Amino acid sequence: AQSVTQPDIHITVSEGASLELRCNYSYGATPYLFWYVQSPGQGLQLLLKYFSGDTLVQGIKGFEAEFKRSQSSFNLRKPSVHWSDAAEYFCAVGADGNDMRFGAGTRLTVKP
Amino acid sequence: NAGVTQTPKFQVLKTGQSMTLQCAQDMNHNSMYWYRQDPGMGLRLIYYSASEGTTDKGEVPNGYNVSRLNKREFSLRLESAAPSQTSVYFCASSGWERGTDTQYFGPGTRLTVL
Repeated sequence: AQSVTQPDIHITVSEGASLELRCNYSYGATPYLFWYVQSPGQGLQLLLKYFSGDTLVQGIKGFEAEFKRSQSSFNLRKPSVHWSDAAEYFCAVGADGNDMRFGAGTRLTVKP
Repeated sequence: NAGVTQTPKFQVLKTGQSMTLQCAQDMNHNSMYWYRQDPGMGLRLIYYSASEGTTDKGEVPNGYNVSRLNKREFSLRLESAAPSQTSVYFCASSGWERGTDTQYFGPGTRLTVL
């Protein structure tokens, strides 16, 4: 069965510093991978997705993620974090909506 | 274009009470979903509907029922609420975009059962 692990429950970075959020997955076939962001009191917003092709995926708000099949990873990165990036980030895997599996989330705090 | 909307935003129930959470989407999506979000557990699928007139159980369906009223609306009903159902509930809809079935989420309903 597919599953997603986000090893970091909470990360704190300084504004302007770089960011990497880790995601490891288990999936039987070619994975469809997603990153979502959830601001406090809000629903989830899609940042980016991967299903084939270039393993480096660009998303909204300056985020990118790299799919590494050999490491079963899909880590999210941003070169310079802004205070407005403080939120919870979820990695997900699944080919169809009815078999999506979400990670437990990583909460990002941004220090001034 | 409102996307996915949910009502109510907040609700407090007593054990044993019933209620229905409403969800509507205006993106003409066939598929709709109900998730619950609990601390440290991410989102777990309760029920989904692949098309109007069909519903199926997800990972955690016990204690819930759903109705796909039409293509736009998908409701979640708690017949006899229990404290274990205290959670944040998200509705989502999905459509195929650029090679994947992509989900869009509503703002959530925060439910407390006393």
